[in-house]
Amino acid sequence: AQSVAQPEDQVNVAEGNPLTVKCTYSVSGNPYLFWYVQYPNRGLQFLLKYITGDNLVKGSYGFEAEFNKSQTSFHLKKPSALVSDSALYFCAERQNSGNTPLVFGKGTRLSVIA
Amino acid sequence: SAVISQKPSRDICQRGTSLTIQCQVDSQVTMMFWYRQQPGQSLTLIATANQGSEATYESGFVIDKFPISRPNLTFSTLTVSNMSPEDSSIYLCSVVSAGEYGYTFGSGTRLTVV
Repeated sequence: AQSVAQPEDQVNVAEGNPLTVKCTYSVSGNPYLFWYVQYPNRGLQFLLKYITGDNLVKGSYGFEAEFNKSQTSFHLKKPSALVSDSALYFCAERQNSGNTPLVFGKGTRLSVIA
Repeated sequence: SAVISQKPSRDICQRGTSLTIQCQVDSQVTMMFWYRQQPGQSLTLIATANQGSEATYESGFVIDKFPISRPNLTFSTLTVSNMSPEDSSIYLCSVVSAGEYGYTFGSGTRLTVV
């Protein structure tokens, strides 16, 4: 079965420092990987996705993620964190075939401290 | 990308009653996916709804509790039946979407059962 692991429930980082939110995936072959952010009392917002191509994917709000096939990882990164980045972040994957749903990781709560 | 209109956005319901959630998509889609997000947790897939056939439910979810209708390629409903406080969650629909985002999510229905 597919599974996406986000090993950290909570990540704390000081404003201005780089941030990393970790994700590992399980789909064999060519995974489709996504990052979403959810602010309090708001809907899911798409950040970025990897389907194929460059391993470094750039997304919204200055976020980027690096696809690493050997480590089956897709960590989310940002060079300089903002207090406004504080939110719940979800990694998700889908199989590379057809009309299938996303499977979500448990989520990581990011807290950026001023 | 597809646009989804999800209703209601929120509701407070008495235990033992039922609530039907609607999702209307602005284009024809083969599959629609229904998710539940319990407070502070990740999105869990409830079922996949294919037009013209019964929905496929994930482990832990049953049709009697979460009946789904899919009368055409642009519309689906999820009913939460015989509600208890444990059903208090956000319910979201989703479709595979052409374009940048890959998937489109409804804005969610925040259900509180009292």
